[in-house]
Amino acid sequence: DSGVTQTPKHLITATGQRVTLRCSPRSGDLSVYWYQQSLDQGLQFLIQYYNGEERAKGNILERFSAQQFPDLHSELNLSSLELGDSALYFCASSVDPQGSYNSPLHFGNGTRLTVT
Amino acid sequence: AQSVTQLDSQVPVFEEAPVELRCNYSSSVSVYLFWYVQYPNQGLQLLLKYLSGSTLVKGINGFEAEFNKSQTSFHLRKPSVHISDTAEYFCAVSRTGANNLFFGTGTRLTVIP
Repeated sequence: DSGVTQTPKHLITATGQRVTLRCSPRSGDLSVYWYQQSLDQGLQFLIQYYNGEERAKGNILERFSAQQFPDLHSELNLSSLELGDSALYFCASSVDPQGSYNSPLHFGNGTRLTVT
Repeated sequence: AQSVTQLDSQVPVFEEAPVELRCNYSSSVSVYLFWYVQYPNQGLQLLLKYLSGSTLVKGINGFEAEFNKSQTSFHLRKPSVHISDTAEYFCAVSRTGANNLFFGTGTRLTVIP
């Protein structure tokens, strides 16, 4: 158990809809990362937050947004959903903003989003 | 920019046989290198990482990897695999001082009894 909690585990929705994915980081971790895993593009870094502030941005679409709240949990909002957004969305957390250097990333089990 | 290539999408191997999963990277700057494992219906778990120092890195579950700067490779090896090693393995790279990982497309290791 990595200590990172993601809800829901599965989500099925229709095109054009909006969904919110939730992530609670491991206790003590201040940094949260979002990744998208799809069959055609593999694991893609989306965005990182550290202590409530956006820290780094990857291949995140404009239809997607995220935030980290004072209690350090994070939400990833996906809007105007398209079929191609169907993927496994992972949240990861680390102790500090330079997670890959000073501490490893701890991944949640993911939210599987299916857009029909 | 950094990128990672995992040449083998699937590797079947018999139980107790050795295995090598290949990873090559490209980067114009110094990087950190990682191997992660993903078991079915689970998130990714760190196997090992290379930051600096000895080029042979030992990780969990008997895995090791060797950093080869001249060949820009970071191949993962295990001398004797178990059924429980069946999983997806991801090589990843990050720029030194950066905070996000770039992953390869993964190699599915299947251990055959």
